[in-house]
Amino acid sequence: GENVEQHPSTLSVQEGDSAVIKCTYSDSASNYFPWYKQELGKRPQLIIDIRSNVGEKKDQRIAVTLNKTAKHFSLHITETQPEDSAVYFCAASLSGQNFVFGPGTRLSVLP
Amino acid sequence: NAGVMQNPRHLVRRRGQEARLRCSPMKGHSHVYWYRQLPEEGLKFMVYLQKENIIDESGMPKERFSAEFPKEGPSILRIQQVVRGDSAAYFCASSPAEGVREKLFFGSGTQLSVL
Repeated sequence: GENVEQHPSTLSVQEGDSAVIKCTYSDSASNYFPWYKQELGKRPQLIIDIRSNVGEKKDQRIAVTLNKTAKHFSLHITETQPEDSAVYFCAASLSGQNFVFGPGTRLSVLP
Repeated sequence: NAGVMQNPRHLVRRRGQEARLRCSPMKGHSHVYWYRQLPEEGLKFMVYLQKENIIDESGMPKERFSAEFPKEGPSILRIQQVVRGDSAAYFCASSPAEGVREKLFFGSGTQLSVL
């Protein structure tokens, strides 16, 4: 089955700097890769996603890149703000079935 | 659209009791997923259901755990004879039957505490 790894497990950046979180997946058939943000005590919320027919997608300060050959995808957050502090999860899925999540990255944005 | 609704928000059970967790998907969604999350850990897949069918239960323990999603009413995750190790946050998520089915939306979770 699918296995998703995520690095780093914790990340601290200064406010205004960029943050990058990387994930790798094992099943080359996976074709959908969402990213979720989970604040303490709250539900995971979808922040951005990418399908396998696209190499990059951007939404304001966040972007995701996908390298199908290497089977890895990354989340990029620019101009980080304190409210970006949360746990971020990547996931891989085959056509919306059996989402497998990475272990998460705890991002701390320091003022 | 009220979003994915889970109840109860918090559930306390003593060892050996039964726990019933309910999930009402978003309007128009007929796919439901259950995930378990331990403190400081990730989301572990348990079961994937469509209306009246279990599609994938590979992540759910064979004993004591069961799930259903009837034609009418919410999806239920049932844990019989709970043990302390069952204490965790249980999240339900739903996705549409048609269109952009990959979009997965989570409920607020049920925090189960076993005394």
